[in-house]
Amino acid sequence: AQKITQTQPGMFVQEKEAVTLDCTYDTSDQSYGLFWYKQPSSGEMIFLIYQGSYDEQNATEGRYSLNFQKARKSANLVISASQLGDSAMYFCAMREESGTYKYIFGTGTRLKVLA
Amino acid sequence: DSGVTQTPKHLITATGQRVTLRCSPRSGDLSVYWYQQSLDQGLQFLIQYYNGEERAKGNILERFSAQQFPDLHSELNLSSLELGDSALYFCASSARGGAKNIQYFGAGTRLSVL
Repeated sequence: AQKITQTQPGMFVQEKEAVTLDCTYDTSDQSYGLFWYKQPSSGEMIFLIYQGSYDEQNATEGRYSLNFQKARKSANLVISASQLGDSAMYFCAMREESGTYKYIFGTGTRLKVLA
Repeated sequence: DSGVTQTPKHLITATGQRVTLRCSPRSGDLSVYWYQQSLDQGLQFLIQYYNGEERAKGNILERFSAQQFPDLHSELNLSSLELGDSALYFCASSARGGAKNIQYFGAGTRLSVL
């Protein structure tokens, strides 16, 4: 069965430093998509970044990059130059390829950026 | 702004009651997904509709039902509400298929059952 694991319930990072949020996944599919979402205290789910299983390059979106290691089945999110506004819950998700495209979410990592 | 609209933002009701949550997907998106986020269960997939038809079911209780209308908006009906149904309910939408199939989430409806 497909599964997403986020082992860090909470993380602290100093403002302006980089931080890595871990995500490992399990699937027997060859084709899949990996996503990261941010959920601030206001509650909305904000799409951050996407990585396809066949993409050879690591995805980048501004200060966000995804460290994709296919053999290790990991898809870690790297946030560079952390800002106070980055304090939020971060979810890793994987898209099923069964035709439904439903997402499986990890349990999330709560990031706190310190001034 | 994701372009997905959910109403109402907050809902307070009593046990045993029935409520309806509404979702308008992003313009052009054919798929609508419903998720429940509670403190102890995390983010759980409930149900998916594609162009008016049910496509997939997840952990949706029999007391819950949903539909997608011809104009593609969707409603999630929750009946015989229990205290444990208190949660944040998200709707998400995505375009038809596509390599990325990014789901964009609405702001959610926070349901409190008292």
